Amino acid sequence: NAGVTQTPKFQVLKTGQSMTLQCAQDMNHNSMYWYRQDPGMGLRLIYYSASEGTTDKGEVPNGYNVSRLNKREFSLRLESAAPSQTSVYFCASVRGPGNTIYFGEGSWLTVV
Amino acid sequence: GIQVEQSPPDLILQEGANSTLRCNFSDSVNNLQWFHQNPWGQLINLFYIPSGTKQNGRLSATTVATERYSLLYISSSQTTDSGVYFCAVGETSGSRLTFGEGTQLTVNP
Repeated sequence: NAGVTQTPKFQVLKTGQSMTLQCAQDMNHNSMYWYRQDPGMGLRLIYYSASEGTTDKGEVPNGYNVSRLNKREFSLRLESAAPSQTSVYFCASVRGPGNTIYFGEGSWLTVV
Repeated sequence: GIQVEQSPPDLILQEGANSTLRCNFSDSVNNLQWFHQNPWGQLINLFYIPSGTKQNGRLSATTVATERYSLLYISSSQTTDSGVYFCAVGETSGSRLTFGEGTQLTVNP
């Protein structure tokens, strides 16, 4: 009963380093999302994938790239990390429009 | 894109009190969900409620889609209800889900 699984849970990066956050869901959902949450704020959409093979920008896409590897997996890549990208990152998935969205447990990223 | 506003931004209650949280949105939606984010950061689904009324124990929610708002009611609050409550909406025209800024609820013993 895994649901949405994100890795890693915690990561510290130096400015300029790159890394990839991995997300996988086992619910056969069509749509997947990456959000970031800064302290004391709501969740802002970075990128989403409405269906396998498609990706679209959200509110705050700059500095990120995504890959919808297959129906299960949606990765988020930081090519050159900046301190402004210090945040908690949440992956989510949903069967389709008009259905319940499910979230992973979050990935805490610090860029120093 | 759709605008989502939640009120109040902060709410402090004594244990046992009741409260109402509000979510206003600017366009037609096909998805509206309420979440509770606990002190450990986990997002917990409370209700999927694009229209109508639902109840789950001490919590209930009502969405009036034609008037573009939703309400979350918490009765007989407990300290474990503390945390941030988020409303998230999905536009009928697509797959994006937009969050409000949340209501920070503190329930004191």
